Amino acid sequence: LAKTTQPISMDSYEGQEVNITCSHNNIATNDYITWYQQFPSQGPRFIIQGYKTKVTNEVASLFIPADRKSSTLSLPRVSLSDTAVYYCLVGDIDSTGGFKTIFGAGTRLFVKA
Amino acid sequence: GAVVSQHPSWVICKSGTSVKIECRSLDFQATTMFWYRQFPKQSLMLMATSNEGSKATYEQGVEKDKFLINHASLTLSTLTVTSAHPEDSSFYICSAGRDRGLNEQFFGPGTRLTVL
Repeated sequence: LAKTTQPISMDSYEGQEVNITCSHNNIATNDYITWYQQFPSQGPRFIIQGYKTKVTNEVASLFIPADRKSSTLSLPRVSLSDTAVYYCLVGDIDSTGGFKTIFGAGTRLFVKA
Repeated sequence: GAVVSQHPSWVICKSGTSVKIECRSLDFQATTMFWYRQFPKQSLMLMATSNEGSKATYEQGVEKDKFLINHASLTLSTLTVTSAHPEDSSFYICSAGRDRGLNEQFFGPGTRLTVL
């Protein structure tokens, strides 16, 4: 069962770049790495997904080393509205052969003015 | 695209009653839907996986007779909390996947259940 480990919390200031690293030592060959953002009392929101090397979209970048045992979510120039919990997930195969997703504890990012 | 809705967004009920929560994929057909529960300040806990037309697969420790899941169509899954008790009060979130072979999920906004 693939499992992820992230820092429990991080603090940052507005305008800074924030890097959140996730460990997934038992990631399977077919697993993608996905990051979600969650605000209080809302469902998680997709941020970015990758398999290897680097992926960039309009809100974040995802760095994945060659061994894929970890990944780093990079948020450029954070603002107060980026205060949220960030989850790193890897896919898992359930007993029927379909994907299921197990959430880790997540990282609580607090952005200060 | 890929919008998932939940209804109701919040519900308050008396202990002993049953509550049904709907999860709909609005603009795509969801071959798989997932139900999660989240307590305050905690992560999402996967309760069950439901595939259209077949029985749901429950995670260990989740009572299937208490949390009834029906995935009757490719756009609708329902979670019924039977004989609800205060300890069932939680935030329930569903997600939907378009392809069982893809690690891609779209989450609903969640339903806040309070049992008095």
